[in-house]
Order: sequence, then structure tokens, then C-alpha cells
Amino acid sequence: GAVVSQHPSWVICKSGTSVKIECRSLDFQATTMFWYRQFPKQSLMLMATSNEGSKATYEQGVEKDKFLINHASLTLSTLTVTSAHPEDSSFYICSTGKETQYFGPGTRLLVL
Amino acid sequence: AQTVTQSQPEMSVQEAETVTLSCTYDTSESDYYLFWYKQPPSRQMILVIRQEAYKQQNATENRFSVNFQKAAKSFSLKISDSQLGDAAMYFCAYSPDSWGKLQFGAGTQVVVTP
Repeated sequence: GAVVSQHPSWVICKSGTSVKIECRSLDFQATTMFWYRQFPKQSLMLMATSNEGSKATYEQGVEKDKFLINHASLTLSTLTVTSAHPEDSSFYICSTGKETQYFGPGTRLLVL
Repeated sequence: AQTVTQSQPEMSVQEAETVTLSCTYDTSESDYYLFWYKQPPSRQMILVIRQEAYKQQNATENRFSVNFQKAAKSFSLKISDSQLGDAAMYFCAYSPDSWGKLQFGAGTQVVVTP
């Protein structure tokens, strides 16, 4: 299966700043990647579909201007949380794959 | 819209015993894919087992097997010979495509006691 990495694994930032999270597909040409968010003790919720070379598709209720997604190559998708606030604190996970979705290790974001 | 329901928030099992996790889903599609993922305390999502809806045969992976009942829209996971390392949150997931986005159930926490 696909090997997926994420960076950083942990990030703490001040309210109002922007944070960029990288998702890399190490052994698979990922034309599509998915970004999920997981709050404590809850399930994963799909935020958006990242499409290589084109605009991302956002799920209902997800602010596209707040969660900027860029997928400029077949190995890298980035999620930028703009003007982060404490309520954006969460666990962000990306996935990609052909026959099955494989997940990155996730990024824990804490906004103070 | 598709929904995935896991009605058991937590299941406890003794080592070497068997536990079954339930999952039901709702879809109007005839072809789709179902998955069980495991999330240990590290929070890394790990694929446990995968089932294509067009296949009648239940998928198995070593100690893990599913009971797929398409008409009933049920997809339960059986863990046999439970080990301490099986302790984790287990999520049932649905996708209309093999490569596509996943819709997850709420999860079932599996506790394994020595």
C-alpha cells in the first residue's frame, strides 16, 4: 500500500497565525488526497478532497478560505489553517491510495 | 446520503477470546467498498480488512474476519484469539469507490484484558 507522511506531527501556535501541514505520498503518485479532522474521542470527518493541479473540493460546512489546500505535485498536498483560533485545535489526517486509502500519521494542532 | 453506524461504544474481551464488532450502513448504491480501520493510542489509522460489495465471499486477514450481509447492510468484524495489541479504537468505513473518500462510523473501543 501507499506510504504517507505528514509534517509536522505536532504544532502549537498562537491565535491568529497560520499553520501549514504537509502530506506526502512517498511511493505512490497521488492525484487525489483526502484531508480529515478528528476531535478527541470522535470519529474522522472528511474536510476536503485535494486534487492535483486543480481546486480542492470542500465538504459542506468547511470554510474553504480558512482551510486552504494546495496540491501542486503528485507527491505533496498542503493544508493551511489560516488565522487559526482555539476551536481549530484538532488532529488533522491525510490519506491517499488506489485500491485502499492509506493514512498519514496525523498532525496535532493546538491553538493557544 | 450514506451513513455508517457503530452501535457499540466499547467492547471488552479477554486475551485469546473472540469479540465481534457490529457495523451497519445505509446506501442506495449496488457497488461499494467497506473497510475496518484500527486506531491505536498513537492515532495512526491502520487498515484491518477490506470488502468489495460485489464479492459474496467474506474477507479474512489472519485473525480478523468479516460477516458481510449485503441485503441487511451489515458488516461485522470478528477478532479471534484476541491479543493485547488488538486494543484500539476500531472504525467501520464506507466508500463508493476503491480509491475514494471514506465515511466513518463513530468507532468502537476494544479493551483487551489479560
